[in-house]
Amino acid sequence: QVQLQESGPGLVKPSQTLSLTCTVSGDSISSGSYYWSWIRQPAGKGLEWIGRIYTSGSTNYNPSLKSRVTISVDMSKNQFSLKLSSVTAADTAVYYCARGYCTSTSCSMGYWGQGTLVTVSS
Amino acid sequence: QTVVTQEPSLTVSPGGTVTLTCASSTGAVTSGYSPNWFQQKPGQAPRPLIYSISKKHSWTPARFSGSLLGGKAALTLSGVQPEDEAEYYCLLYYDGAHWVFGGGTKLTVL
Repeated sequence: QVQLQESGPGLVKPSQTLSLTCTVSGDSISSGSYYWSWIRQPAGKGLEWIGRIYTSGSTNYNPSLKSRVTISVDMSKNQFSLKLSSVTAADTAVYYCARGYCTSTSCSMGYWGQGTLVTVSS
Repeated sequence: QTVVTQEPSLTVSPGGTVTLTCASSTGAVTSGYSPNWFQQKPGQAPRPLIYSISKKHSWTPARFSGSLLGGKAALTLSGVQPEDEAEYYCLLYYDGAHWVFGGGTKLTVL
């Protein structure tokens, strides 16, 4: 069964770039027509979709974050990554990675990592 | 900006039935929005329950079901158990490219 694990610095300074990696195990990141997503959740608040990437390199981003977000994939390492630039305290959140799948009539987001807390503070 | 709206909170008695709904600011929710539902308990990652309106993951208990109801996506819990107390989030798919989460419904089992 596929498993996802987020990793990266737990503390980032304001105005710097947040960088996280999601390592996929139990399956090849390039197998099938899956997409790979990032989602975040500030403490005590709801979920926010950040963006996704297909292994073809095709990406979609949340319009409210698009100017600051880059998602990339490294198939040789079975990983995908998130970069969020110019961070502020408002970007403090638990960040989750997830795997999804779409057909012509159906989309799902069925496997998630456990999440990693990133705090933006000087 | 697209907004997805859920009931902020609901209360249900053990053994009872409750329906949570999910509305889109763009209009009626249809199959094209491929509604997904997630359960989240404190300190845990969201757990996928339902996708594409009513399809269940292999781990989804039978008491959870999804549907479209009055222009909204709906999640019905039948025979509620104490362990169903959690936050529930819906997720809608827009323009074949973007996902938007609802604000979540806090379900209390009392």
